[in-house]
Amino acid sequence: DTAVSQTPKYLVTQMGNDKSIKCEQNLGHDTMYWYKQDSKKFLKIMFSYNNKELIINETVPNRFSPKSPDKAHLNLHINSLELGDSAVYFCASSQVGTGSIKETQYFGPGTRLLVL
Amino acid sequence: GNSVTQMEGPVTLSEEAFLTINCTYTATGYPSLFWYVQYPGEGLQLLLKATKADDKGSNKGFEATYRKETTSFHLEKGSVQVSDSAVYFCALSDRSFNKFYFGSGTKLNVKP
Repeated sequence: DTAVSQTPKYLVTQMGNDKSIKCEQNLGHDTMYWYKQDSKKFLKIMFSYNNKELIINETVPNRFSPKSPDKAHLNLHINSLELGDSAVYFCASSQVGTGSIKETQYFGPGTRLLVL
Repeated sequence: GNSVTQMEGPVTLSEEAFLTINCTYTATGYPSLFWYVQYPGEGLQLLLKATKADDKGSNKGFEATYRKETTSFHLEKGSVQVSDSAVYFCALSDRSFNKFYFGSGTKLNVKP
């Protein structure tokens, strides 16, 4: 059973298109995240949702819009794709607890986006 | 603010060599510290973690000790294998904001 799954695994598209990436977790966690990993492997957090509520919104172009229909899902929609959006996008989830050891984040396998 | 600094790679070792990947951090409060590993073409997997000072995390022969006095969390393994070749990320968790801060990753190449 996959704990955090993402679809699609690969996404090749033209500049200017709109695309979505889906993420689902079956761990019962209440918090989900989107990260962007560039070609140098640097990981940058983009968004975080706790119980469907946006709690982290880093400096990300507003062409990127996350949507969380329920606790187990966090989707990422990208409008007007640009060449610089090419990267690997990772979804992650965790169970937020005060002073708890449950804060470990569990990552999905990634979506490799290539914008041509 | 919070940040993580780890040694630049790539690190190239022969099989059975000793591994150290340095990681230092700055943090407000009392973060938890983590090492994640990313194998080629895959997502990040938790390797080990420590939640308070002097804790030692260990897994698959890897170890790291949470050193508050030196603000470090260096990753070590006594004898690396070819299968350990991957990118290793040090991270801290800011419990106040439930935010993770990742280092830039260190690529490890182990040659037979």
